[in-house]
This record gives sequence, structure tokens and C-alpha cells, in this order.
Amino acid sequence: AQSVTQLGSHVSVSEGALVLLRCNYSSSVPPYLFWYVQYPNQGLQLLLKYTSAATLVKGINGFEAEFKKSETSFHLTKPSAHMSDAAEYFCAVSDLNTDKLIFGTGTRLQVFP
Amino acid sequence: DTAVSQTPKYLVTQMGNDKSIKCEQNLGHDTMYWYKQDSKKFLKIMFSYNNKELIINETVPNRFSPKSPDKAHLNLHINSLELGDSAVYFCASSQQGLGYTFGSGTRLTVV
Repeated sequence: AQSVTQLGSHVSVSEGALVLLRCNYSSSVPPYLFWYVQYPNQGLQLLLKYTSAATLVKGINGFEAEFKKSETSFHLTKPSAHMSDAAEYFCAVSDLNTDKLIFGTGTRLQVFP
Repeated sequence: DTAVSQTPKYLVTQMGNDKSIKCEQNLGHDTMYWYKQDSKKFLKIMFSYNNKELIINETVPNRFSPKSPDKAHLNLHINSLELGDSAVYFCASSQQGLGYTFGSGTRLTVV
């Protein structure tokens, strides 16, 4: 069965610092991987997705993620954090047999001035 | 135009009542879903429908009954509401697992 694990339920960074949110996946087939962001009291917005094309994926708001098969990882990064990046971030994998999205437990990003 | 729209946005009701949440997508996707997000923000799939046909039912109590009149609509009816049903319910749609678009959520509070 496919799954994702997000390491760290809370991450705090200073404004302007590097953002690194970790995600490791488990899959017996090449996975489709996603990062979503959820701002307070809002829905889920797609940041970026990996669907077996380029391993470095660029998303919205300056975020990017690199698919590393050898490490089974799909970590999310942003060079310089903004206050507006404070939100909950979810890594997810698509189960291609059932076409359902399986989420990690989420990481809350706090950005301090 | 909202791609996936669900109504209502907020729903407060008493235990034992029956309520429905509606969802519509205008993306032409074949598959629609209901997800539940609990108080700890954990997201779990409840149901999926592909072109009006039930594909996934993730051991959800049978008080929850999804209905898909056509592939653009997936409604969720809940009977005999319980306190533990309080959560945010998200509707979503996708096309062959490549892109999932979510609605803005319905916050259900059972008192």
C-alpha cells in the first residue's frame, strides 16, 4: 500500500530563512506525489505535483520539491520564507490502482518576523 | 467560476438530525471524492465515485450515504448525526489521478 510520512508536525522559521518540509513516501510503483497548502479556515490548494517527468518540480509561491527515488523523498523547499507562508502543508501520494489521494499528517509552518 | 463548489460552508445542527452537503464540479473530471478532516487536521478519504459509480467506501458508517446524480455532482447525506461527526468535509474531483481539485470545505458542528 502506498503512504507518505511527514517528519515534523511543526516547523518554525524566521522570515527570510530557508523553508524545508520533509516528506517520505512508500510505494511499490512509481508514485505521483503532491504538496498541498491549507491556510487557516480555508480549503486545500495545490502547490506542486510530481508525475514522473522532471525530478525537480517548481510550484506556486516560490516553492519547489525534488523527487529522490534513492531516498524515497519528496521534500518541499523555499529559499526565503514570507510571513504569508504560515499555513498547514500536506504531502500526498496518489494510489493509481484506486485513484485516491493519500495524505500525510501535515506540517504546520510558522514564520516569525 | 469556482471549479469545485460545495454548500453549505458552515453547518451547525443537533445530534440525531439528518443533513446533506452538496458538491458540484465544472472541470469535466470523471472522479469525485469526499474527504473528512478531523480536529487534528488529518485528512481521510470517505468515498469516491467514478462517472456516477461508487468506487471507494472506506469503512464509513452507513449513516453516511453519498449520491451522484451525474458525474458533475456528488452529494453527501448524513443520518442521525453524532457528536463525532463534527469535522470539516471536503469534496474533490480528479482526472486519472493527475490533478485533484478541492472545494473550500464544509465545517460541520454537531451539538
